[in-house]
Amino acid sequence: GEDVEQSLFLSVREGDSSVINCTYTDSSSTYLYWYKQEPGAGLQLLTYIFSNMDMKQDQRLTVLLNKKDKHLSLRIADTQTGDSAIYFCAEIPSSNTGKLIFGQGTTLQVKP
Amino acid sequence: GAGVSQSPSNKVTEKGKDVELRCDPISGHTALYWYRQSLGQGLEFLIYFQGNSAPDKSGLPSDRFSAERTGGSVSTLTIQRTQQEDSAVYLCASSRNSQGGQPQHFGDGTRLSIL
Repeated sequence: GEDVEQSLFLSVREGDSSVINCTYTDSSSTYLYWYKQEPGAGLQLLTYIFSNMDMKQDQRLTVLLNKKDKHLSLRIADTQTGDSAIYFCAEIPSSNTGKLIFGQGTTLQVKP
Repeated sequence: GAGVSQSPSNKVTEKGKDVELRCDPISGHTALYWYRQSLGQGLEFLIYFQGNSAPDKSGLPSDRFSAERTGGSVSTLTIQRTQQEDSAVYLCASSRNSQGGQPQHFGDGTRLSIL
């Protein structure tokens, strides 16, 4: 079936790099997304990657995709206290159009 | 508008009452989605509209839930005879269309509390 797994919590010090990991089960997934959610707010799209890519970089964010292991990661360089939030990995499986399947979310805590 | 707009931002109601939640998508976006976020279940898909096609209702949890989208723009999610387990944040998203990985942009949600 379609499933997305994430670790629930990550704590880092300000200025360090953060790496948030995600695994998915649908090997035919076409697009994979990272969203950020701050308290009381909706989901903010951070970045996304097409399945024929293995890396995408956007300023402090780097997404790595390992299709063989069905593993996706989000690296945040020079993590700031403003990066503290919940980060969701999501996929659009090949079996449908448009519907996002989300992981449980990883809470990132950034200590000053 | 600039982003997806949802109203109300908060709704408190008594068990058994009906509620209506509204979503105004980004102008020009033909695809509209409703999701539910609750502590126990995480983020769950509810229903999806694409243009004039029949909606994908496969995520609606019971027949007390319904949604419509008038004129291809604003959508209303209706929950009849609310139950305490309906308490959650209801999120709406829109995208240019449903093809080619067009990213979904989310509103801030409606926080629904059933007493």
